[in-house]
Amino acid sequence: GAGVSQSPSNKVTEKGKDVELRCDPISGHTALYWYRQSLGQGLEFLIYFQGNSAPDKSGLPSDRFSAERTGGSVSTLTIQRTQQEDSAVYLCASSRVPSSPLHFGNGTRLTVT
Amino acid sequence: KNEVEQSPQNLTAQEGEFITINCSYSVGISALHWLQQHPGGGIVSLFMLSSGKKKHGRLIATINIQEKHSSLHITASHPRDSAVYICAVKEGYGNKLVFGAGTILRVKS
Repeated sequence: GAGVSQSPSNKVTEKGKDVELRCDPISGHTALYWYRQSLGQGLEFLIYFQGNSAPDKSGLPSDRFSAERTGGSVSTLTIQRTQQEDSAVYLCASSRVPSSPLHFGNGTRLTVT
Repeated sequence: KNEVEQSPQNLTAQEGEFITINCSYSVGISALHWLQQHPGGGIVSLFMLSSGKKKHGRLIATINIQEKHSSLHITASHPRDSAVYICAVKEGYGNKLVFGAGTILRVKS
């Protein structure tokens, strides 16, 4: 069956440009999470969506980062005016309900030059 | 001090050995996850538990809520078990996961 799909798998961008990263969760999963993993670092929570509730944005590192989830399905993470420290693997995960196991996508590797 | 501490950071084992990876946390949690990350980045959820013990194949996870400690055991280890194992806790009533730094496991044949 289809898992969590992320696109693109790799993205190289110039400092200062905006990027959009996409996540297609498993159909029917109400909870969606964005995390990032910087080189040599652990995983870091960014944002959480649950159904129609207001998202938990407490992990977003700056106001250059934003995310939306349209129709309770696909989510887009946008980074404006990218900086070199934004280089990381951005991972999306979904779960059927918040209390059920997570299913991770393969991530988008973002490189800011 | 990190909220989630894992030990050891690195572990090399011989095929067939029994392996234990430990996770200690300092906050109240609603659930604890064990994740496996293979080279190349894919992350797989192994267990989610809030009490007691779970078993799946050669993998066993236990949690002691009073001691704020969890262990992941691998019986009869195999080279394909080589991966990074990550402990993550869901704090209290919050939504975010707080991750440990991971344990790099290498199983030699």
